[in-house]
Amino acid sequence: DAGVTQSPTHLIKTRGQQVTLRCSPKSGHDTVSWYQQALGQGPQFIFQYYEEEERQRGNFPDRFSGHQFPNYSSELNVNALLLGDSALYLCASSSRGSIYGYTFGSGTRLTVV
Amino acid sequence: ILNVEQSPQSLHVQEGDSTNFTCSFPSSNFYALHWYRWETAKSPEALFVMTLNGDEKKKGRISATLNTKEGYSYLYIKGSQPEDSATYLCASTIANNDMRFGAGTRLTVKP
Repeated sequence: DAGVTQSPTHLIKTRGQQVTLRCSPKSGHDTVSWYQQALGQGPQFIFQYYEEEERQRGNFPDRFSGHQFPNYSSELNVNALLLGDSALYLCASSSRGSIYGYTFGSGTRLTVV
Repeated sequence: ILNVEQSPQSLHVQEGDSTNFTCSFPSSNFYALHWYRWETAKSPEALFVMTLNGDEKKKGRISATLNTKEGYSYLYIKGSQPEDSATYLCASTIANNDMRFGAGTRLTVKP
């Protein structure tokens, strides 16, 4: 049974570019949440998707957007990249109605140069 | 309390010290409280899920307690080891299944 799969694992982009990160949730999970962990910082909640809609959002600018597809997979898009967007981006999936919390992917390491 | 709050933000202890940190969460519509350990370069690992007031969970040298009436949970580490260094996240699930994470407590255990 596959867990949460994220792609790519590493990515290097130039300032001003746009990036799309992808996440496939664990089988049976319907909710996907995205987190950003900058070096030396704790994880910061970006947003959560359920039923193809953004349900919650953290304190991130509109440059950060997302999408959830009918198969529950999700994308995180970041426009107009800044150097400060360099971080590990984690995707976590969960199942509505279950108390067992999230299963996390291994993350995508984004470096903006 | 409207959000999940963790304290302290960071903590430095010596090997062998015991330590604890706090998670505060909204007590209304409470459903479950989760603790995760997140080591650098790894995925967060689930430690405990607690649902009942007074719940206590233990895993080796790590234990946690839950007070749903006042909206807090403590995580205890007995005899800290360098391998305990990580960010410890707590998250609260409320009745509508929204799961809210705290910002984490970053623990550093010095040899």
